Amino acid sequence: NAGVTQTPKFRVLKTGQSMTLLCAQDMNHEYMYWYRQDPGMGLRLIHYSVGEGTTAKGEVPDGYNVSRLKKQNFLLGLESAAPSQTSVYFCASSSLGRYEQFFGPGTRLTVL
Amino acid sequence: AQKITQTQPGMFVQEKEAVTLDCTYDTSDQSYGLFWYKQPSSGEMIFLIYQGSYDEQNATEGRYSLNFQKARKSANLVISASQLGDSAMYFCAMREGNAGGTSYGKLTFGQGTILTVHP
Repeated sequence: NAGVTQTPKFRVLKTGQSMTLLCAQDMNHEYMYWYRQDPGMGLRLIHYSVGEGTTAKGEVPDGYNVSRLKKQNFLLGLESAAPSQTSVYFCASSSLGRYEQFFGPGTRLTVL
Repeated sequence: AQKITQTQPGMFVQEKEAVTLDCTYDTSDQSYGLFWYKQPSSGEMIFLIYQGSYDEQNATEGRYSLNFQKARKSANLVISASQLGDSAMYFCAMREGNAGGTSYGKLTFGQGTILTVHP
């Protein structure tokens, strides 16, 4: 089992560029999440999904879009990147009724 | 108001000694869960321990124990016999509602505490 994987691990963007972060899990988990981690602020939930084809907004959704076309994949998109989106992005997944969330290794994104 | 508060930005402990990392939380739910995660300098998030709001006993996992005081809304992490490898950032997190309920497992994190273990 690879667990939760994230692609890419690092990325540098210019303001206004777009990109997609890919999260994949091989544990057949129903729930998937995208968080961002900024210095001194802990992790904050961007969007989440409770199943294939469903997504919902978290605490800080502005500037991001998500899609979950397949159960094992959860994509996070930035349509027009801004310097304020410089952060470390974590994907996580969990199983229905279970308490533990499994995290991916993170993606470090810098927007210049 | 913050839902999870970690008031210690940094903590220092001598190797082999015990250390307590503080966490207080705020919720109106009767059912909720409390978590501790470790984030070493390599950046990954490592699950350490979980406490459900209805669990009568404090959770323990090896050298980690969670000192759960429901009336005070605190969920402190105790690490016994500290090791150099325990040096890391530690996050307290909360899930409001049941694990299988409409919270959908969403977590709210505190700001973290950096623990440094001295030899």
